[in-house]
Amino acid sequence: DVKVTQSSRYLVKRTGEKVFLECVQDMDHENMFWYRQDPGLGLRLIYFSYDVKMKEKGDIPEGYSVSREKKERFSLILESASTNQTSMYLCASRADSYEQYFGPGTRLTVT
Amino acid sequence: DAKTTQPPSMDCAEGRAANLPCNHSTISGNEYVYWYRQIHSQGPQYIIHGLKNNETNEMASLIITEDRKSSTLILPHATLRDTAVYYCIVRVPNNAGNMLTFGGGTRLMVKP
Repeated sequence: DVKVTQSSRYLVKRTGEKVFLECVQDMDHENMFWYRQDPGLGLRLIYFSYDVKMKEKGDIPEGYSVSREKKERFSLILESASTNQTSMYLCASRADSYEQYFGPGTRLTVT
Repeated sequence: DAKTTQPPSMDCAEGRAANLPCNHSTISGNEYVYWYRQIHSQGPQYIIHGLKNNETNEMASLIITEDRKSSTLILPHATLRDTAVYYCIVRVPNNAGNMLTFGGGTRLMVKP
């Protein structure tokens, strides 16, 4: 089975803190994605990566950055957390086509 | 990606088949139909996908109409664990940059 893991299920941070969300997949997938999910807004793409050290902006990249130093790991970084970044963050990976596998999600609260 | 329309909620008795409809009247020829579900507080889970032929796997069956403008996800014997929000998506698979856009989905409630 494909496994996508995220470093934390729940996280509480203060405004202005730097936040790291880690995602690891064990299926040697080329493509990895970071989404946030908010009530009424569905799933929105923040950043994605199609290879090591490659990254592309999604729909809502402002306030975020990413890092992909190894194929299996894709990190989402909030440089200076703000309250409007309180959300559920979902990591996903897939091979070049077909189904996308999601991690369990990290519910981040910024106070 | 083509837009999809699903009913906001459905109930199903445990042990019965759950039939979840999806309209995708603007689907283009190279777009596949995908189904995902999301159980409360968990990440979305892939269920099944298809292009034009009906598909079946260990989780569900996917019936796509001949004109491809609609499809139905069938859970043959729904269990309480199948209670979730089910999302129907149409997209071209071979696009590494293609985001997965989830609409409102159908909230399926399986009742004992």
